[in-house]
Amino acid sequence: NAGVTQTPKFRVLKTGQSMTLLCAQDMNHEYMYWYRQDPGMGLRLIHYSVGEGTTAKGEVPDGYNVSRLKKQNFLLGLESAAPSQTSVYFCASMPGQNSPLHFGNGTRLTVT
Amino acid sequence: AQSVTQLDSQVPVFEEAPVELRCNYSSSVSVYLFWYVQYPNQGLQLLLKYLSGSTLVESINGFEAEFNKSQTSFHLRKPSVHISDTAEYFCAVSAGGNDMRFGAGTRLTVKP
Repeated sequence: NAGVTQTPKFRVLKTGQSMTLLCAQDMNHEYMYWYRQDPGMGLRLIHYSVGEGTTAKGEVPDGYNVSRLKKQNFLLGLESAAPSQTSVYFCASMPGQNSPLHFGNGTRLTVT
Repeated sequence: AQSVTQLDSQVPVFEEAPVELRCNYSSSVSVYLFWYVQYPNQGLQLLLKYLSGSTLVESINGFEAEFNKSQTSFHLRKPSVHISDTAEYFCAVSAGGNDMRFGAGTRLTVKP
């Protein structure tokens, strides 16, 4: 039982490049989330999904897109990376509303 | 939307001393409250949660938190800390919806 797995663990992009972060969970959770963590700002919600085929915007969605084609996977895309998107990105899942979140180990992204 | 304020960004303390990490929240509806802990280079792990019932909740490693509705607080306490408690601690609130909001975090450093 791997829990929540994020790939890649590290990535360096040049401004304007695109990439996709993959999150996979094997717990059959309905809800999945993407957060970014920046020093002094805690975790901020980018996008989330309450089930296969659904997505919704969080606090800081601009510059990101997401897809949930399969229940176990939640993809986060950056179409044109900017230095302001340098951050640590965490994926999380939970079985239902108001349940605790289960987190992956994060992806450290640097945009130069 | 709900929000969380963690009043201390850093808390240094000596080993075996007591500690309190402060958390206040705002919400117009009933809330569910969580404390998460993050060790270096890892994702967040649930420490304890308040969903309903007794306002005092405990974790397996000696931490406790008390939900105070009148003061809109959920402070985390431990009577005697260990070096291994050094980590970053996040308070989080869910207001019955689909997203969970986090505070900026408190870095606890336990010194020998």
